Amino acid sequence: GQNIDQPTEMTATEGAIVQINCTYQTSGFNGLFWYQQHAGEAPTFLSYNVLDGLEEKGRFSSFLSRSKGYSYLLLKELQMKDSASYLCASYGGSQGNLIFGKGTKLSVKP
Amino acid sequence: SQTIHQWPATLVQPVGSPLSLECTVEGTSNPNLYWYRQAAGRGLQLLFYSVGIGQISSEVPQNLSASRPQDRQFILSSKKLLLSDSGFYLCAWDTGPSRGEQNFGPGTRLTVT
Repeated sequence: GQNIDQPTEMTATEGAIVQINCTYQTSGFNGLFWYQQHAGEAPTFLSYNVLDGLEEKGRFSSFLSRSKGYSYLLLKELQMKDSASYLCASYGGSQGNLIFGKGTKLSVKP
Repeated sequence: SQTIHQWPATLVQPVGSPLSLECTVEGTSNPNLYWYRQAAGRGLQLLFYSVGIGQISSEVPQNLSASRPQDRQFILSSKKLLLSDSGFYLCAWDTGPSRGEQNFGPGTRLTVT
């Protein structure tokens, strides 16, 4: 079956680094996506990994290990505005569409 | 540039009433279109998706339906709302070359009372 797991909540301090993990079990893997969703708003696309390794995009980096079914999102130099839910997603389902995890709610404290 | 519109932003409807939510996309042609629902404490649940006019696929059987009367218009409907239909409804689009990099509309917060 299809399953995506990520921690429910995390707390970190402004200026610090935080790593949000995601494990997935999906059929027909074709990439791992990360989205950011601020409270009451729509998700916005952050990153896409299809090959193993680290993809860096400014303060955000995303890592993928296909053999382990594992990804993480790394946020550096945390800012208060980074407080949001971070959704991990991968392809699966009966028609091969994106399946989203329930999201990790990150709270950044001063 | 591409934009996606959804309306209304919020909606309060009684149980048993009909529903119509509309989504339109500008600045792109032949997009894949998606309807998601996000209930409190739950993840994004794909309800319907469409790869073209009149082509609708359903992921989850329920009392909702979707239609795509035009290339960039996607409508979510119900004849009779249930309490369990409450949630945050999101429309999204992507295109073949960038499938998965979905662009979401602002969403409609539906409360069924």
